[in-house]
Amino acid sequence: KQEVTQIPAALSVPEGENLVLNCSFTDSAIYNLQWFRQDPGKGLTSLLLIQSSQREQTSGRLNASLDKSSGRSTLYIAASQPGDSATYLCAVSTVNQAGTALIFGKGTTLSVSS
Amino acid sequence: KAGVTQTPRYLIKTRGQQVTLSCSPISGHRSVSWYQQTPGQGLQFLFEYFSETQRNKGNFPGRFSGRQFSNSRSEMNVSTLELGDSALYLCASSWGTRETQYFGPGTRLLVL
Repeated sequence: KQEVTQIPAALSVPEGENLVLNCSFTDSAIYNLQWFRQDPGKGLTSLLLIQSSQREQTSGRLNASLDKSSGRSTLYIAASQPGDSATYLCAVSTVNQAGTALIFGKGTTLSVSS
Repeated sequence: KAGVTQTPRYLIKTRGQQVTLSCSPISGHRSVSWYQQTPGQGLQFLFEYFSETQRNKGNFPGRFSGRQFSNSRSEMNVSTLELGDSALYLCASSWGTRETQYFGPGTRLLVL
């Protein structure tokens, strides 16, 4: 059974700092991995999707890497801003499941202070 | 292009009642998935519909059901509500299988 873990559960940093969020999964047979952000009481916003054949994806100040063999992904946020404060979730779509069922981690809650 | 919409946004029900939630996907998207989010369990997959067929189902009791219409709009139904069903219910749509999923704002259900 696929399990997704995110460490740390919470993180506080001053504005301008670069930071890394971690995600690990137990079954390397994944189809893709997706990073989301969620603002309090809101839905999820897709940040990046990495296919299993890819090593990384970049969007603006965000860079996500994937090491499928070790079951790890990282989300790198450069020059953090207060507007980056949110909960960040990673989710995997596994090869053994039909369709698009995502297995989510519990998330990392990021707080960026000005 | 309009995003995923969910109605209603908030709902209060009592134990034993049933509830129907609605989701309209992004235009052109054929896959609709439903997730339940609670503080204790986090986000859990309920089911996915693709072209009106249930493609995948999570580990939830039969009280949770859903359907998809020919215009890709989807509904989920929860019968005989329990206190533990209080949660944020999120709908996500994608063009096809295993594509980027786009989430709606959710329906917050409170069962008293």
